[in-house]
Order: sequence, then C-alpha cells, then structure tokens
Amino acid sequence: AQSVTQLDSQVPVFEEAPVELRCNYSSSVSVYLFWYVQYPNQGLQLLLKYLSGSTLVESINGFEAEFNKSQTSFHLRKPSVHISDTAEYFCAVSKQGAQKLVFGQGTRLTINP
Amino acid sequence: EAGVTQFPSHSVIEKGQTVTLRCDPISGHDNLYWYRRVMGKEIKFLLHFVKESKQDESGMPNNRFLAERTGGTYSTLKVQPAELEDSGVYFCASSQDRLAGETQYFGPGTRLLVL
Repeated sequence: AQSVTQLDSQVPVFEEAPVELRCNYSSSVSVYLFWYVQYPNQGLQLLLKYLSGSTLVESINGFEAEFNKSQTSFHLRKPSVHISDTAEYFCAVSKQGAQKLVFGQGTRLTINP
Repeated sequence: EAGVTQFPSHSVIEKGQTVTLRCDPISGHDNLYWYRRVMGKEIKFLLHFVKESKQDESGMPNNRFLAERTGGTYSTLKVQPAELEDSGVYFCASSQDRLAGETQYFGPGTRLLVL
C-alpha cells in the first residue's frame, strides 16, 4: 500500500518570499506523483505531476517539484509567492498501473502582505 | 467546457436519515471517482467507475454507502442510514481515459454534516 506524508499542516510566508511544501511518500512499487491545489470555495485542481522522465516538473504559475527517489520525496517549491497562491495544497500518489489517488493530509499556505 | 459538478453543495441531516449526493462528470469522461475528506484528515478514495461498472470499490467504508452510475453518465452516492462519522466533504472526480497517471478533474465537493 502507498502512503503520503505532508510534514506541515500550515505554512505562513510573506509575499514575494520563497516557499517549500514538503511531501514524502512510502510505496513498495513504482508510483506516479501529483500536487493538487484547492483555492477557497473551489474544487481541487492539478498543479503538476511526475510520471517519468525529467525529475523536475514545473507548473504554469511558477511552482516546481522534484522527484527524489532515494529520499522518496516530491517537495513543491516556488521562489516568490503571491497573495493569489493562498490555498491548500495536496500531495498525492498513485501506483503505476492504477488510477486511484492516495493523498497526504494537505498543507494550508497563507501569504501575508 | 463545463467542469465536474456536484449537488448539493451542502447538506445537513440528522443521524439515521438518508442523503443522496450527485455528481455530473465532464462530458465524455468514462472514469468517475468518489473521494471523501473527513474533518482534519486526508482525502480518501471511495470508489471508481468505468462507465457504469464499478472498477474498484475498495475504499467504500461499509454497506451503508451505495454508489450508482446508471447509463454511465452521472453518479449518485447514497448514505443510508447516515451516522455522525459520515460527516465530511465528498469529492467527485472524472478522467477521460483509463491510463494510470491520467489527470483527474475534481468537483467542488459536497459538505455533509450529520447531527
């Protein structure tokens, strides 16, 4: 079975500061990795995903995540956050060959002006 | 293109009552998923439909939960009778293909409160 741990339930940062949201996973088989974001009063949206190839994946709004197999991590980073990045972020995995997602507990990112 | 829609957005019921949640996936998406987030915990998988067939229902908590997808379009999730621990946010998602790693598109969720 797979499991996902998001080490921080809340991360407060100042606007234009860098941020890292941590995600570690456990699995005995190969997995795909995802970051989803939930803005206030909206559903979850895919931010980025790693399936294969380059271990560094990027989103269109400046986030990036790096798959580290040896450390079983998929941390999400952004060099400079904006107020509009305020949201809850979810790390998730799926077993290769399966569709169901296994989620972490979520990290609430709050941006202070 | 319309996204995944869910109805109702909120539901407050008393223990022992019945509630039916509805999900309309993105048009043309054969795959439909139900997930649930109990307060303060992680989002958990409930089940997966491919068209009208249940592909994986390993996450359904017990037989008080009944999911259907007649005709392979919209889906309903009925909880009967509801218990206090059923409170949470129920998310529906859909995807087009049965490929692992395929992006799942989520609805806004139904917030269920059982008193």
